[in-house]
Amino acid sequence: EADIYQTPRYLVIGTGKKITLECSQTMGHDKMYWYQQDPGMELHLIHYSYGVNSTEKGDLSSESTVSRIRTEHFPLTLESARPSHTSQYLCASSGDSYGYTFGSGTRLTVV
Amino acid sequence: AQSVTQPDIHITVSEGASLELRCNYSYGATPYLFWYVQSPGQGLQLLLKYFSGDTLVQGIKGFEAEFKRSQSSFNLRKPSVHWSDAAEYFCAVVSTSGTYKYIFGTGTRLKVLA
Repeated sequence: EADIYQTPRYLVIGTGKKITLECSQTMGHDKMYWYQQDPGMELHLIHYSYGVNSTEKGDLSSESTVSRIRTEHFPLTLESARPSHTSQYLCASSGDSYGYTFGSGTRLTVV
Repeated sequence: AQSVTQPDIHITVSEGASLELRCNYSYGATPYLFWYVQSPGQGLQLLLKYFSGDTLVQGIKGFEAEFKRSQSSFNLRKPSVHWSDAAEYFCAVVSTSGTYKYIFGTGTRLKVLA
């Protein structure tokens, strides 16, 4: 049962377009994360948040931005998509324990 | 610096055979360790976790893992693999910086032969 939802699942978009990847969770978790994963590769943390109005950049530099206006919502935005942004983006959340709950991911292709 | 190493990029086993996926970590204190599974095109699902106590932990789908401090290892095992176990497996440790951030291994892709 998915308690964290990512939309869209797949997105093909042209270069230069602005896109927003949505991530919402219903568990009341205060901590949320965005990971970037190329096919068959490891996960790289690009953004995280420990609560409303709190956002930090992760270990991998990314041209994307995030916001956390509501506890349940953690969208990721690319102002001008490029082919180098083609990847899978995974959203996750965690509460008081250290276990993450992951969404199903958004597979982005920029043409 | 903390790190997680999964030495095997690919592993192929026959259905019904036993499985062991290796994970080694570098960590200064008692680590919090996790194994996740990722099916193609999907997010990651938690298989099991170790925080403290009994060093043999049971997880979902018949998986278990053993924490061995002397070897800095947290290997994942399953006595009899099913075709549906074919997936990517990630080992992870929680960062000591207090940020709750995971450090992931590079993953092991499991192929199961019928």
